[in-house]
Amino acid sequence: EVQLLESGGGLVLPGGSLRLSCAASGFTFSNRAMNWVRQAPGKGLEWVSAISGSGGYTAYADSVKGRFTISRANSKNTLYLQMNSLRAEDTAVYYCAKGSPYSYYDILTGYIAWGQGTPVTVSS
Amino acid sequence: NFMLTQPHSVSESPGKTVTISCTRSSGSIANNYVQWYQRRPGSSPTTVIYEDNQRPSGVPDRFSGSIDSSSNSASLTISGLKTEDEADYYCQSYDSSNQVFGGGTKLTVL
Repeated sequence: EVQLLESGGGLVLPGGSLRLSCAASGFTFSNRAMNWVRQAPGKGLEWVSAISGSGGYTAYADSVKGRFTISRANSKNTLYLQMNSLRAEDTAVYYCAKGSPYSYYDILTGYIAWGQGTPVTVSS
Repeated sequence: NFMLTQPHSVSESPGKTVTISCTRSSGSIANNYVQWYQRRPGSSPTTVIYEDNQRPSGVPDRFSGSIDSSSNSASLTISGLKTEDEADYYCQSYDSSNQVFGGGTKLTVL
């Protein structure tokens, strides 16, 4: 059974930093693209970032480019999101999501499994 | 960037069939896979359809996905509606540099 367990969320001041983690199990982690997706209060889903199975290819939404960095440690079956220069509009629940089978060829394809999410609040 | 447009809400009775549409504003719907996600209140999202028409294990065959190139749209059809199907449904697709979500459709089963 696929399990994705996010951690690292919390309350942070504007301009601050946080690192989110996602521990994966139940599948061959290094074979699958992974993503971060967020949902702000009262809003819809928003893609944040994607990374290939090897970690060699990454992609970011324009809203976070230059501030967020996605990475992975395949030896630890763990996905990360380093978030710097945080803004109030980054307040959301952040989900990690396992890429669908075709994401092996195109990391932007979509997701087949989701974690339970970790909340991030950016406020003074 | 393109947009995906969904109806804000749909409603139907238990046992009936409902279809939710997702129209792509530019670029061909057939060129990039479409996924559908379910978000029940208080729960994290789950995938009900991936790669246009594939169901993850555990998703009942009451859920089906399709694309229509003539209208440049995708559809999620849920047959034999159950009260547990009441949720928000989001379509999602991508292009060469971005993933895009539709705004979501609230399904009410009354």
